Amino acid sequence: NAGVTQTPKFQVLKTGQSMTLQCAQDMNHNSMYWYRQDPGMGLRLIYYSASEGTTDKGEVPNGYNVSRLNKREFSLRLESAAPSQTSVYFCASMDRPSGYEQYFGPGTRLTVT
Amino acid sequence: GNSVTQMEGPVTLSEEAFLTINCTYTATGYPSLFWYVQYPGEGLQLLLKATKADDKGSNKGFEATYRKETTSFHLEKGSVQVSDSAVYFCALRGLSGGYQKVTFGIGTKLQVIP
Repeated sequence: NAGVTQTPKFQVLKTGQSMTLQCAQDMNHNSMYWYRQDPGMGLRLIYYSASEGTTDKGEVPNGYNVSRLNKREFSLRLESAAPSQTSVYFCASMDRPSGYEQYFGPGTRLTVT
Repeated sequence: GNSVTQMEGPVTLSEEAFLTINCTYTATGYPSLFWYVQYPGEGLQLLLKATKADDKGSNKGFEATYRKETTSFHLEKGSVQVSDSAVYFCALRGLSGGYQKVTFGIGTKLQVIP
């Protein structure tokens, strides 16, 4: 039971490059989330998916897109990376049977130069 | 909308000192309250939670009581250890726009020195 996994752990991009952050959970949770963590800002919600087949914007969606590929996987795409997207990105999942506790992945540290 | 307020820190304590990290919230309805902990280089993990007023959550020597009258959920530990050094996030969960949304505070960094 791996919980929530994320790949890659680290990534360096040049401005304008694109990449996809992958997230998968094996807890059969319906809801999945993407956050970014920046110093002094806490965690800010980028996008979420309340269930398979649905996605919605969070607080800071600009510059990102998401895909809920199936119940297990929720990916985050940066189409044209900018230095302002340098951050640590966390994927999380939760559901009612687990008491709505959020389970987090280990994070992806992204640097855009 | 919902919000959570906590001090950013860092909070520096000597081993075996008493810890308090304050957390207050603004929310409609009856949210559930959480404390998450983030150790260096890792994701967040649940430390404790409380789902209704006057509930006390506890885990690993940490405690927090859901106080609706003061809209607070302060984290306490009687005797901290070096291994408690981490970032602590207060959070609340409530319905927002038809889905279960979790709102986090900015996180408080705790440093415990031997």
